[in-house]
Formats: sequence, structure tokens, C-alpha cells
Amino acid sequence: SYELTQPPSVSVSPGQTARISCSGDKLGNKYVSWYQQKSGQSPVMVIYKDDLRPSGIPKRFSGSNSGNTATLTISGTQPVDEADYYCQAWDNSVVFGGGTKLTVL
Amino acid sequence: QVQLQESGPGLVKPSETLSLTCNVSGVSITNYYWNWIRQPPGKGLEWIASMSYRGSTSYNPSLKSRVSISIDTSKNQFSLRLTLVTAADRAVYYCAGDKTGYNFFDYWGQGALVTVSS
Repeated sequence: SYELTQPPSVSVSPGQTARISCSGDKLGNKYVSWYQQKSGQSPVMVIYKDDLRPSGIPKRFSGSNSGNTATLTISGTQPVDEADYYCQAWDNSVVFGGGTKLTVL
Repeated sequence: QVQLQESGPGLVKPSETLSLTCNVSGVSITNYYWNWIRQPPGKGLEWIASMSYRGSTSYNPSLKSRVSISIDTSKNQFSLRLTLVTAADRAVYYCAGDKTGYNFFDYWGQGALVTVSS
């Protein structure tokens, strides 16, 4: 079965750029979406089709996908961005990455 | 404004069937694709199943033998049944809506915690 691998945790200082990776075999050939889940809340989609932002998502969120790696980039990270982030793709079934805990300190 | 709300028993006995319903408001259920996703406490997301109002379904291979999903267009809601539950099925169950059919999840319910215990 297809697997998506994310780092368990990423730390960033406020105002800096956070990058969260998601790796999978030939992932660049698939569409990737990213979800933000704050503590005790439901996930929210922040990126879809690799690099598109849903309405209402701040411009500091961006995405890319090439080769075997997709990346979620948060520019000018704010304390409110502290959350778990999940990548997701489809390979004969919906697949989620294991999630990355973003700490802003 | 699209809203999804899960409902159903919060406690199910081992070997019995888990049943949840998702009420959809703000959009006709005939417009999108509808999904169930779960998350064991402290763990990651696991997709369970997807269905369109036309009846096309897709299931997580690891759960396929125990899962069924259905849509009730008259009530604008869809449902999940998971049979032969065990403690491993304890999770927050989310219903989610996919606007495009590209398997992205634009809308999420608040989640319903289901515990499996005798």
C-alpha cells in the first residue's frame, strides 16, 4: 500500500519560514493536499492540488510538489499556526501522512 | 455555509456494529462527494470510505470487509456502518465533504468520539 512520510515534528521561531515535507514514491505525479489541525479541533484544508489555497486561507501558506516530495511552506509563521499538519494524496485509496507537529517558539 | 454534523452512539460493545450519521446543511447532498475519516486519540487520520449521491463508493482496503456507507437524499444525510468492532476502532469519526471529486476534503464535521467497550 502507498505510504506518505512526514517528519514527526518541526520547530520554528515566530516570523520565520516553516517547511514541512511529505515524501512518497513518485508523489509529484499525484495531487497533494494539506490539512491543519489545531488541538481539539477538526482538520482544515490549507492547500489542495499541490499549491492552491482555499478561500480564507492566509497567503503565508503555500505548497509545492515535485519528484518524491511535497512541501508545505508557511512564511512569516505566527503563533496561531502551531498545529498538527497532515499531507494527503490518492493512490487507489485516500492516504494520509502520519502528521507533523509544528511548534512555534 | 456548508455544515456537517455527526451523530450516533458514543459507546459500542465489542463485536457489534458502529453506526453514525452525518447531517449536511447548506448544500444539497447531491452536489458533492461524501466521506468518513477517523482519528484514534493522539494518532493520525485514517480515511474510511467515500460515496457520491449516484451511488459510486470507494473503501479503504483495510476496512472494506466491515464498512458500508449510504446516502439518504430525502434527509440530506449520509451514514456509516462498521461491523465487528474492537477496541482498535475507538476513534473520533469525522464526516467530510469533497466538492470536486478529486479526493480533497473541503468540509469537515466536528467529529464524534466512539468508544468500544463492554
